[in-house]
Amino acid sequence: EAGVAQSPRYKIIEKRQSVAFWCNPISGHATLYWYQQILGQGPKLLIQFQNNGVVDDSQLPKDRFSAERLKGVDSTLKIQPAKLEDSAVYLCASSHGESEKLFFGSGTQLSVL
Amino acid sequence: AQSVTQPDIHITVSEGASLELRCNYSYGATPYLFWYVQSPGQGLQLLLKYFSGDTLVQGIKGFEAEFKRSQSSFNLRKPSVHWSDAAEYFCAVTSGTYKYIFGTGTRLKVLA
Repeated sequence: EAGVAQSPRYKIIEKRQSVAFWCNPISGHATLYWYQQILGQGPKLLIQFQNNGVVDDSQLPKDRFSAERLKGVDSTLKIQPAKLEDSAVYLCASSHGESEKLFFGSGTQLSVL
Repeated sequence: AQSVTQPDIHITVSEGASLELRCNYSYGATPYLFWYVQSPGQGLQLLLKYFSGDTLVQGIKGFEAEFKRSQSSFNLRKPSVHWSDAAEYFCAVTSGTYKYIFGTGTRLKVLA
């Protein structure tokens, strides 16, 4: 089966600019996650969707981060405006159901200068 | 508070030697436990998982892990490490309500 697709692979922007990441989960996976992984740390959940509804966005900095999952398939994560501390790898993952294993994309490495 | 602790940030072993990576969790509900591996520039890949039943679980690439409820631990082991095992390893826990918590990871270096 095709894996989780993410783009772009790398992004370099200046602080205060905007950036968007795209994720296409594995076909049929109802649950989609966005994680932020700062260098040297484990992945931190930003937002979790079940179909096109938000299950958990308690750790999403809503003043600058937004995410949507229209039609319950693809998802986009946006940062506006970006800060230096947003430099990280942004991982998208999907799963079929409750407590199932996560399938991860390769991530988008963001550098904010 | 719910948490996952991986006390070893870096571990170095010689090729062919045995390996044990430690994971301790603090979780109010019955935990579902996972080990993931991340190679450089890649996403995370599941090695193994424990939901219930036999406390010794087998995973891919020759890895195994043992769930010890009394010690709140889920340590990962491999009897003989290969150079290709060099990567970062993450322990994770969830309770069936979808929210995963990941540890900070252990970076494994393998000496030839």
